[in-house]
Amino acid sequence: ETGVTQTPRHLVMGMTNKKSLKCEQHLGHNAMYWYKQSAKKPLELMFVYNFKEQTENNSVPSRFSPECPNSSHLFLHLHTLQPEDSALYLCASSQGVGGAAPEEQFFGPGTRLTVL
Amino acid sequence: AQKVTQAQTEISVVEKEDVTLDCVYETRDTTYYLFWYKQPPSGELVFLIRRNSFDEQNEISGRYSWNFQKSTSSFNFTITASQVVDSAVYFCALSEDGLVEYGNKLVFGAGTILRVKS
Repeated sequence: ETGVTQTPRHLVMGMTNKKSLKCEQHLGHNAMYWYKQSAKKPLELMFVYNFKEQTENNSVPSRFSPECPNSSHLFLHLHTLQPEDSALYLCASSQGVGGAAPEEQFFGPGTRLTVL
Repeated sequence: AQKVTQAQTEISVVEKEDVTLDCVYETRDTTYYLFWYKQPPSGELVFLIRRNSFDEQNEISGRYSWNFQKSTSSFNFTITASQVVDSAVYFCALSEDGLVEYGNKLVFGAGTILRVKS
């Protein structure tokens, strides 16, 4: 596998279900991101992890719970979601090393989530 | 606050036509970075270019070119001699200067859907 992979690619869940999205990067990066892309809004940054530490939580509801066990893996645990949470969830990674210039982010193909 | 506006929701062109995608941004910072990404039907965003606020030189890469004008806060993207494979959603994004140790935050525009017909 190369680049950034995400599983599953498609997920349908009921509002009472608990599920998890998985992201894995094979680029040796240290920073990982979750974005939400819904039909009527621009891409929204949800969470940022750098060296496994969460450095950004963009006012995301607690029904979304991220986990970063190591620099290569990022999870998004989902529980009691609402239909408006249906969207494409994109994972990205970047070098995350020292310096002030923001880096190119590499994106996975996304998980298309439908909440019934 | 930062904001990126891509006023063109959707553009349709015929193959070999030139097309320009507009991007206008707002920021209070003097140092910032602008990006363009392409999102093909497969879903993943593909990085195209990063430009910092101190470099106003236009850039050309093959059929792609970018026009950065600080005076109008615009960073427009032109595809010359468009091809069907250029069909995708194109996003402009802005990031302020900051410590990368915290990860960099990108603010995206709404995207422009480009359809190139044969």
